Amino acid sequence: QVQLVESGGGLVKPGGSLRLSCAASGLTFSDYYMSWIRQAPGKGLEWVSYIIISGSTTYYADSVKGRFTISRDNAKNSLYLQMNSLRAEDTAVYYCAAMATIPLLWYFDLWGRGTLVTVSS
Amino acid sequence: QSALTQPASVSGSPGQSITISCTGTSSDVGSYNLVSWYQQHPGKVPKVMIYEVNKRPSGVSNRFSGSKSGNTASLTISGLQAEDEADYYCFSYAGRSILLFGGGTKLTVL
Repeated sequence: QVQLVESGGGLVKPGGSLRLSCAASGLTFSDYYMSWIRQAPGKGLEWVSYIIISGSTTYYADSVKGRFTISRDNAKNSLYLQMNSLRAEDTAVYYCAAMATIPLLWYFDLWGRGTLVTVSS
Repeated sequence: QSALTQPASVSGSPGQSITISCTGTSSDVGSYNLVSWYQQHPGKVPKVMIYEVNKRPSGVSNRFSGSKSGNTASLTISGLQAEDEADYYCFSYAGRSILLFGGGTKLTVL
């Protein structure tokens, strides 16, 4: 069964840090670009970051650039998001999502169930 | 880069057709045929309904179709059913470093 399972969410104070993980199973992880997408409570989807297969290149939305770091471990079929200097506006459900690259058509065909991050004092 | 523009809400009666627009710019929607659409029911995970402007993934009903003209992409749902009531988001590639979602449209089936 193909699935992405996020973990690591929780309550953190403003200025704090959190590391999210996403475990992939049932797919060839190294065939996919991986991304983090978030959704604030009652709001729309916002792309946060993506990483190419090798992990050598990463991209970020302006809203998180310089504070968040995406990484992956293909040997462990895992994706990570290190979130530093967290703000109240980072409160959201964070989804792990995969984009197939054979061919690369720039859409998310696999999603995890998400993990909730709450930034509050 | 700003989010793509969608109407906040649309509605239709069962059996009718509705269209949701997604307006971008010549740097995103207008430059690439890489628009996708996602359906999200309350409390559920988004699901891709259309990719590459007008292609349907396996298993998606042919009542869903997509198109694009200039800087505006559209999702049309024909033969509206109660189960179609959900939020819909467009998404576009806008260059290697920029990926954009629309603000989302709430579809109500009357």
